[in-house]
Amino acid sequence: GNSVTQMEGPVTLSEEAFLTINCTYTATGYPSLFWYVQYPGEGLQLLLKATKADDKGSNKGFEATYRKETTSFHLEKGSVQVSDSAVYFCAPPEAGGTSYGKLTFGQGTILTVHP
Amino acid sequence: DTAVSQTPKYLVTQMGNDKSIKCEQNLGHDTMYWYKQDSKKFLKIMFSYNNKELIINETVPNRFSPKSPDKAHLNLHINSLELGDSAVYFCASSQARLSGNTIYFGEGSWLTVV
Repeated sequence: GNSVTQMEGPVTLSEEAFLTINCTYTATGYPSLFWYVQYPGEGLQLLLKATKADDKGSNKGFEATYRKETTSFHLEKGSVQVSDSAVYFCAPPEAGGTSYGKLTFGQGTILTVHP
Repeated sequence: DTAVSQTPKYLVTQMGNDKSIKCEQNLGHDTMYWYKQDSKKFLKIMFSYNNKELIINETVPNRFSPKSPDKAHLNLHINSLELGDSAVYFCASSQARLSGNTIYFGEGSWLTVV
């Protein structure tokens, strides 16, 4: 099945710093790739996604580009805010039409942003 | 309106007890899931149902029994609770016939076994 390797945390940054959270994947074919975010005390929610190679997903100032040649989907933001403090999960779905969208989540990366 | 709602949000219980967590989604999705998140934030799928039929069962102990009375509900019953069952349990749903669909999560149920 598909899997991801995500940068281990925790990551601690000052407000307005540049953020990169690395994510590389192994997959059969070219599945859609996702970043989910989990704010304190809440469930996960979709942050952004890319459905094919070279696509760039973006939302709330975050971006990630689906790079087939390096099998990566790194998350970036130019200037983080305290409100971005959360746990970030990179996830590809299982390949195949019978997968029922099962997502393979890992340990996530805990981000803390200080004022 | 909450898309995926689960109850209770917090549950503290003693070892050996039996407890249930309920989940409902109003998104019209065909597929529902239970995930378990440990204290280190590691998130792992437990079960998946599609149209009330069990699709995924990820080597979960038999003490955990999901039940789906209809495609909008997926409940989780846990027998003989153990200390190691303490975790956050997330219900989720998706329209997931094809890969690439977004999964929508509930807010989680914090289970503490003492």
